[in-house]
Amino acid sequence: GQNIDQPTEMTATEGAIVQINCTYQTSGFNGLFWYQQHAGEAPTFLSYNVLDGLEEKGRFSSFLSRSKGYSYLLLKELQMKDSASYLCAVRGRNTGGFKTIFGAGTRLFVKA
Amino acid sequence: DVKVTQSSRYLVKRTGEKVFLECVQDMDHENMFWYRQDPGLGLRLIYFSYDVKMKEKGDIPEGYSVSREKKERFSLILESASTNQTSMYLCASSGTATNEKLFFGSGTQLSVL
Repeated sequence: GQNIDQPTEMTATEGAIVQINCTYQTSGFNGLFWYQQHAGEAPTFLSYNVLDGLEEKGRFSSFLSRSKGYSYLLLKELQMKDSASYLCAVRGRNTGGFKTIFGAGTRLFVKA
Repeated sequence: DVKVTQSSRYLVKRTGEKVFLECVQDMDHENMFWYRQDPGLGLRLIYFSYDVKMKEKGDIPEGYSVSREKKERFSLILESASTNQTSMYLCASSGTATNEKLFFGSGTQLSVL
């Protein structure tokens, strides 16, 4: 089966760095995604990893270790607008298509 | 601008009613998905479709069915709505490459009374 775990909530200070971890178990791995979701809005794409290592995109970076079933999202220079839920999602493979499964999300609170 | 459109933002239905949630995408995507989102549980996959008339069960298909008669439209059907189906329903679509992200609609908040 598939299982994705991430912390429920985190709090960090404006200007700081925060790391949100995600562990997963899946069959037929075809990549790991991070999405951001502000309250009352739809999720929006942040990053994609399919090979081991770090992908950097501005203030956000995402890391993947396939052998450990582990990823993290790193947010630098935190801003108040980064207060949101961060969703880890894994794309597996089922007959005929790609199945994307989400973790329960990590609610990040950024305080002044 | 690319778009996934869900027909209703808010919907109130009665127990036992048949409910249709509609989703349309304008990106010519092969893959379309229906999720429900509940506090503490995150997004759970109900059904997805990888081609017209093709569908596959997600993790929680019980009580739901889907229809994909045209490529751009993916409908979620609650045959007989129950109170435990009160939830936020999100539709998404993506292309066929493994690295293609999901594009989400703005969601339908369904309340079953």
